[in-house]
Amino acid sequence: QQQVKQSPQSLIVQKGGIPIINCAYENTAFDYFPWYQQFPGKGPALLIAIRPDVSEKKEGRFTISFNKSAKQFSLHIMDSQPGDSATYFCAASKETSGSRLTFGEGTQLTVNP
Amino acid sequence: NAGVMQNPRHLVRRRGQEARLRCSPMKGHSHVYWYRQLPEEGLKFMVYLQKENIIDESGMPKERFSAEFPKEGPSILRIQQVVRGDSAAYFCASSAFSGSYEQYFGPGTRLTVT
Repeated sequence: QQQVKQSPQSLIVQKGGIPIINCAYENTAFDYFPWYQQFPGKGPALLIAIRPDVSEKKEGRFTISFNKSAKQFSLHIMDSQPGDSATYFCAASKETSGSRLTFGEGTQLTVNP
Repeated sequence: NAGVMQNPRHLVRRRGQEARLRCSPMKGHSHVYWYRQLPEEGLKFMVYLQKENIIDESGMPKERFSAEFPKEGPSILRIQQVVRGDSAAYFCASSAFSGSYEQYFGPGTRLTVT
């Protein structure tokens, strides 16, 4: 019940495309869903996050869509750029577990020029 | 630099030696989390600490691993008698207070056991 499943494992798009990364969770007690971006040799950087009381959140070119009934959420990157090439992780947490993060397996995104 | 700091960035240990990884949280943050990232895998929670207290160590291996966050100084993750399977990137994250969901990660320590 603590798992977060992420897909696809890897994704290649052309510059300007809209990559979509999907995550599904099992534990309905999760109440915070962040996305992290990680470049090789670096630590994960918080990108955007959503709570289950909203269905969509936008920050710049990044959008999270959240479907509470389906227990799924996704990251969309508008007008993708080669600099967006990185590994993206979805995660989930709940306050009652001290807010520790349960991560998906990661998606390696490549944006070709 | 107000970010999470970790040192060393790279650590090489022979089998059987001890590894000590240090983490200084962001200024004003008193909650520290340790995560481990094995090659080609996602991050796995290990332990959650507040100053002088271990709050949740459910992700820590039962043997050889320990963590502390003293009143003064950085949080330390200690691995005794390292084995090759301990080779991984170890990340520390900090948050401002209990119930604050936002965690900010350090650059990690990459441990290689030879």
